Amino acid sequence: EVQLVESGGGLVQPGGSLRLSCAASGFSFSSYWISWVRQAPGKGLEWVAHIKPDGSNQYYVDSVKGRFTISRDNAKNSLFLQMNSLRVEDTAVYYCARNWGLGGAAFDIWGQGTMVTVSS
Amino acid sequence: QSALTQPASVSGSPGQSITISCTGTSSDVGGYNYVSWYQQHPGKAPKLMIYEVSNRPSGVSNRFSGSKSGNTASLTISGLQAEDEADYYCSSYRSSTTLVVFGGGTKLTVL
Repeated sequence: EVQLVESGGGLVQPGGSLRLSCAASGFSFSSYWISWVRQAPGKGLEWVAHIKPDGSNQYYVDSVKGRFTISRDNAKNSLFLQMNSLRVEDTAVYYCARNWGLGGAAFDIWGQGTMVTVSS
Repeated sequence: QSALTQPASVSGSPGQSITISCTGTSSDVGGYNYVSWYQQHPGKAPKLMIYEVSNRPSGVSNRFSGSKSGNTASLTISGLQAEDEADYYCSSYRSSTTLVVFGGGTKLTVL
């Protein structure tokens, strides 16, 4: 079965750090761009970052640049998101998602999400 | 404020057809055929329904169709069913540092 499973979410104070993980199975992980997409409580979806199949290039939404780092370990079929200097507005469910299609701008496989709460 | 504009809500009766619009700019929706649509039920992850404007992934009902004209994309659901009640999001590639943008979402109510 093709799937993505996130972990690592939790409660953290403003200014703190958290590392999210995403375990992939059922497909050739090393062949795909993979993204993080988040959804604040009661709000819409927001693309956060994505990474090239070989890990050589990463792209971020402006609001997380310099604070978040996306990385991957293709040997372990795993994706990561290191989140530093967390802000209250980073509170959201974080999904990992497989990029799909010619432009890589669609997401065809999603994990179940992991909740990150930034609060004092 | 979301990058792409969608109506907050739409509604229809079972068996009817509805259309959800998604308006962007020439830097995203109007400039590329990379518009996608997602369905999200409460507490669940989004599900890809349409990609590259009008393509359906395997397993998605042909009651769902997509189109685009200028800077506005549309999702049409025909033969509405109770299970279609959900939130729907559009997204598009954008030629900027933010490579993928989403709409604010549309809540579909099946009356």
